[in-house]
Amino acid sequence: DIQLTQSPSFLSASVGDRVTITCRASQDSNSYFAWYQQKPGEAPKLLIYAASTLQSGVPSRFSGSGSGTEFTLTISSLQPEDFATYYCQQLNSYPLTFGGGTKVEIK
Amino acid sequence: QVQLEESGPGLVKPSGTLSLTCAVSGDSITNTYWWSWIRQPPGKGLEWIGEINHLGATISNPSLKGRVTISADKSKNQFSLNLTSVTAADTAVYHCVRKKMGDGRSADFWGQGTLVTVSS
Repeated sequence: DIQLTQSPSFLSASVGDRVTITCRASQDSNSYFAWYQQKPGEAPKLLIYAASTLQSGVPSRFSGSGSGTEFTLTISSLQPEDFATYYCQQLNSYPLTFGGGTKVEIK
Repeated sequence: QVQLEESGPGLVKPSGTLSLTCAVSGDSITNTYWWSWIRQPPGKGLEWIGEINHLGATISNPSLKGRVTISADKSKNQFSLNLTSVTAADTAVYHCVRKKMGDGRSADFWGQGTLVTVSS
């Protein structure tokens, strides 16, 4: 199984901050990598797929990069509606796996 | 707009079978996607359970030790999950999901989720 180590697990930031979340894979995931945002009581929402492609309707302040074993999600200027938990996922090989999550809270 | 909606019992007894159905609207399960189940224990992260594709091929997480069956009913445009021999560790919110194939593979539409509690 490909293990995903997501860091940090918790992040405190202010509106307007630039935020970076990292996910390291235990094996090569090529670029079959996605990022999701989840707010309390809601289903996860797809933000980024293929490591760096923005899902339709997602604001351009979100971006993804990386390939192989290291991937990042960046929010260029944190907005109030961005406070949530973020998950990475590898879709290169079965079983599909997720990172442990990063909770972004208001500073 | 694609919509997925989970249904099934919210309470299952230990050693019993958890059975959920996902009704899909706005798309056909015969289109070229994987139709997946993902769960989230209360306060914890996401776990992929398994999926079925448009041809009826299935694959599931080996960590669930053969307890998973996923099937589809094309006439009703829905797919289902059966998880046998459940324990308290199977208590979770269960989401059904549409997953794109190919280079853009990702879970692009999610059901709201249904909480299933395993308890006597």
